[in-house]
Amino acid sequence: GQQLNQSPQSMFIQEGEDVSMNCTSSSIFNTWLWYKQDPGEGPVLLIALYKAGELTSNGRLTAQFGITRKDSFLNISASIPSDVGIYFCAGQPSGTYKYIFGTGTRLKVLA
Amino acid sequence: DAGVIQSPRHEVTEMGQEVTLRCKPISGHDYLFWYRQTMMRGLELLIYFNNNVPIDDSGMPEDRFSAKMPNASFSTLKIQPSEPRDSAVYFCASSSPGWGKPEAFFGQGTRLTVV
Repeated sequence: GQQLNQSPQSMFIQEGEDVSMNCTSSSIFNTWLWYKQDPGEGPVLLIALYKAGELTSNGRLTAQFGITRKDSFLNISASIPSDVGIYFCAGQPSGTYKYIFGTGTRLKVLA
Repeated sequence: DAGVIQSPRHEVTEMGQEVTLRCKPISGHDYLFWYRQTMMRGLELLIYFNNNVPIDDSGMPEDRFSAKMPNASFSTLKIQPSEPRDSAVYFCASSSPGWGKPEAFFGQGTRLTVV
């Protein structure tokens, strides 16, 4: 099925470092969502973005909706061990209410 | 509020058997989505419903898969007959874009193993 291009695929970082990941698409999206998935669990919503150019924060997380409506990024500042997991972007194609998911970024934090 | 509830959490079945996965969306949500997650293909949208009506089933892999939503609080995904390549984690999610909050909330998933 259709998927978004998400990068990087995986990251190994030291505790306290900042992290950045992004998603790009050839299609225009109305909404961008960022999720975190822990092993054995479903994706949990972190941040929702509704308008082009929007910049939204949730604690140490910051995400932006690209002005072209074809990309989004997520930043995590001052990473901690519990940030470990897989992060997914999801985009809602214009004219629909479904969500297409990125391929995921696997984050590992070294204490 | 209760989130999306899926059952069972784990299912192991023999090839050729019928499998039924169940989902209860968040109360008041009018969109329901079924996703499948595998290492190879990631999170794939199988089908989604609006007000109990299937809107897009283009992601359903083949005729062995069927999904129903008999009412606003219940949906099933059925595989008949099951095959080993159907082994995956199946997620249900729901949303309510009409209330200005189009975000999709996920259940904990059903891990299906077909042997």
